[in-house]
Amino acid sequence: NAGVTQTPKFQVLKTGQSMTLQCAQDMNHEYMSWYRQDPGMGLRLIHYSVGAGITDQGEVPNGYNVSRSTTEDFPLRLLSAAPSQTSVYFCASRGLAKNIQYFGAGTRLSVL
Amino acid sequence: QQPVQSPQAVILREGEDAVINCSSSKALYSVHWYRQKHGEAPVFLMILLKGGEQKGHEKISASFNEKKQQSSLYLTASQLSYSGTYFCGTASDMDSNYQLIWGAGTKLIIKP
Repeated sequence: NAGVTQTPKFQVLKTGQSMTLQCAQDMNHEYMSWYRQDPGMGLRLIHYSVGAGITDQGEVPNGYNVSRSTTEDFPLRLLSAAPSQTSVYFCASRGLAKNIQYFGAGTRLSVL
Repeated sequence: QQPVQSPQAVILREGEDAVINCSSSKALYSVHWYRQKHGEAPVFLMILLKGGEQKGHEKISASFNEKKQQSSLYLTASQLSYSGTYFCGTASDMDSNYQLIWGAGTKLIIKP
């Protein structure tokens, strides 16, 4: 049972570089989301999607893009990395019937 | 508005009880509880809906006081495996169940 798979686990970027964090789920969940977790602040929603082709902004969307071309995949793109984007990123998915979010193992990102 | 969790941290001996609170300044529709162990992804514990329903799972239970807009998580006869950071996520209506607002977390340390 793979569940929610995130890659990479760790990444170091230089300021101004771009990259894509990958997220895939094999549970046929309609809803997927990206969070960032910073010390003392809990989880903050970046972007979410309620189905293929549908995305929307969360609480802290600036500097990030998403797309949802398939049910399974929901990549997060950092357009021009900044030190303020140093964080741990979690992808989560849930079905429409059950209100339980399943999280990936996280990506620890450092921007120098 | 981020819900406020209290206490921020608590240290217990194995077998002791703990109560973690999650309070909101907004009217709540649901409260979601998750536990995150160090370096791991958050894992679902339980959901409480408006109506004051109390839920439980083994020695972990929770209540939802609609009048106070507060949920409390009760850990009875704590075990070493209960160590971790507990997060509450809140939704103010059924539609915003997709966009939970998360508290900053309560770190629970259980000592033998």
